Amino acid sequence: SAVISQKPSRDICQRGTSLTIQCQVDSQVTMMFWYRQQPGQSLTLIATANQGSEATYESGFVIDKFPISRPNLTFSTLTVSNMSPEDSSIYLCSVAQWGVTDTEAFFGQGTRLTVV
Amino acid sequence: GENVEQHPSTLSVQEGDSAVIKCTYSDSASNYFPWYKQELGKGPQLIIDIRSNVGEKKDQRIAVTLNKTAKHFSLHITETQPEDSAVYFCAASRPDRDDKIIFGKGTRLHILP
Repeated sequence: SAVISQKPSRDICQRGTSLTIQCQVDSQVTMMFWYRQQPGQSLTLIATANQGSEATYESGFVIDKFPISRPNLTFSTLTVSNMSPEDSSIYLCSVAQWGVTDTEAFFGQGTRLTVV
Repeated sequence: GENVEQHPSTLSVQEGDSAVIKCTYSDSASNYFPWYKQELGKGPQLIIDIRSNVGEKKDQRIAVTLNKTAKHFSLHITETQPEDSAVYFCAASRPDRDDKIIFGKGTRLHILP
């Protein structure tokens, strides 16, 4: 299974500022995704991080608010911009290797963000 | 798009008994169904998955069944232990289309001593 390192693990930020979350994988993976998990809730997909092109955002999420980079097959960043208290949540990086026999998706430990 | 419903939202079982969590999906083209366990303060961990070409898969105390016709799948945990207490998420996806994973709302499982 892929080993995912996500940084930072937690942060407390002032409203109006931005935070960039990093996701590093120990092997090349086909797909990388970013999810948000609000307290006690399920996981909501923010976007699919595409290597070499713009990320694909889900309904309700926009690039200006959540810019994403994926410069190669092992690394991606998610920025939460112009933060407000409503952005307080856990942000999770997920990687997936799709194939006939090795279809699996894994998650990082998450970044717990508190906006004050 | 895909929609995944999960029941129950909370489940309490006596230690040693079995626990069953059920999910339904809406997109008949979905063909990959993973289950994740999330403990407090941690990211979701893949515990078992099943593809649409099989009806059942077992790994020690954990089993998953899939009914493609009815579009539902279930997680079965036998001989439950205290460490099984966690939140469990079912999910559905179409990896052959590089599609994303859609999650159910989760089931909080409590194992009672």
